[in-house]
Amino acid sequence: AQSVTQPDIHITVSEGASLELRCNYSYGATPYLFWYVQSPGQGLQLLLKYFSGDTLVQGIKGFEAEFKRSQSSFNLRKPSVHWSDAAEYFCAVGADKLSFGAGTTVTVRA
Amino acid sequence: DVKVTQSSRYLVKRTGEKVFLECVQDMDHENMFWYRQDPGLGLRLIYFSYDVKMKEKGDIPEGYSVSREKKERFSLILESASTNQTSMYLCASSILTGDNQPQHFGDGTRLSIL
Repeated sequence: AQSVTQPDIHITVSEGASLELRCNYSYGATPYLFWYVQSPGQGLQLLLKYFSGDTLVQGIKGFEAEFKRSQSSFNLRKPSVHWSDAAEYFCAVGADKLSFGAGTTVTVRA
Repeated sequence: DVKVTQSSRYLVKRTGEKVFLECVQDMDHENMFWYRQDPGLGLRLIYFSYDVKMKEKGDIPEGYSVSREKKERFSLILESASTNQTSMYLCASSILTGDNQPQHFGDGTRLSIL
């Protein structure tokens, strides 16, 4: 069975500081991994995806994620957070059917 | 850009009513999905479809049904709405390929059952 755990329910970060969101997955084969972002009242927008190849994946809005098979992790990072990055972030794993984590809410303080 | 359109952003219905949530995508995607989103639970898959007139149960299909008469349209039906179906509902679509293309989401319908 496939599943995703996002250990942090809520993170507060200062504007300009770095951000790392954790994601641990369980999947029977080579995983297909995604990070999505949801702004208040909106649907989900794809930030980045990993299928194979380079384990460091670049996405939109300055985000990147690193796939670590040995740790079953796919953590999302951004070097310098902007106020507009305040949102809820979801990690997902799967092929045609996705399993999502419970999400991490990011608050950005001035 | 892929456009997934959900017919209503907000909907209020009464217990026992039959409720229809509509979703249309404009990119000729084979796959379509319905999720519900609840705080602390993330997104949970209700039903999905790989083709016209085809449907598969997701993780929480009880109390729901779906219809896909045309490729671009996927409807979620609450046969007899109950208060525990108050939630945010998200529709998504994706290409049916071996490359596991990402799902594209609509803006969601916030449904309240009174």
